[in-house]
Amino acid sequence: GAGVSQSPSNKVTEKGKDVELRCDPISGHTALYWYRQSLGQGLEFLIYFQGNSAPDKSGLPSDRFSAERTGGSVSTLTIQRTQQEDSAVYLCASSLTGWADTQYFGPGTRLTVL
Amino acid sequence: AQKVTQAQTEISVVEKEDVTLDCVYETRDTTYYLFWYKQPPSGELVFLIRRNSFDEQNEISGRYSWNFQKSTSSFNFTITASQVVDSAVYFCALSAYNAGNMLTFGGGTRLMVKP
Repeated sequence: GAGVSQSPSNKVTEKGKDVELRCDPISGHTALYWYRQSLGQGLEFLIYFQGNSAPDKSGLPSDRFSAERTGGSVSTLTIQRTQQEDSAVYLCASSLTGWADTQYFGPGTRLTVL
Repeated sequence: AQKVTQAQTEISVVEKEDVTLDCVYETRDTTYYLFWYKQPPSGELVFLIRRNSFDEQNEISGRYSWNFQKSTSSFNFTITASQVVDSAVYFCALSAYNAGNMLTFGGGTRLMVKP
């Protein structure tokens, strides 16, 4: 079946602009995760959604970052007033249920803030 | 807090050599899962293995094998008879029961297999 998909694959924006990154999880997976991969910080957890429960936002680096998941499926990560330090690859993953299940990753969105 | 350390940042081998990638983890939980992922130059993280804390049996899958030792908090990955296609960055990751649902990743080991 289809894997996790993300769009766009690349995004270049100017400092101060808002960006939206999209993730389509594997069909039937109830858990969805966002991670960020940057040269200096490695792979960092950002946010976790599980079904209709309140998301775990403990990894979001600032209040400029937010995410939502509509209808238990597609998720959008929004970064407001982008800064150069936001430049990174943003990875989305999904798993069948939650904790302990294997997380399958999408191809990522490479964000460059000029 | 949980932590994963991959001390080898870069390893270079010649094709057909065996290579072991080290992974050491820290967690206070007794229930946890360990994972290995491969990130080829294309960038996508590819799942390789998942192991729970109650199963210390070593696992072999083709040229890949994993050695899990709770006594040393290690989960090492060996590639036998390496091939150029094995060139990638390999990540070890940990998910502990009381530490939320996220994966905590090590810094990764870049493996270069030369022909």
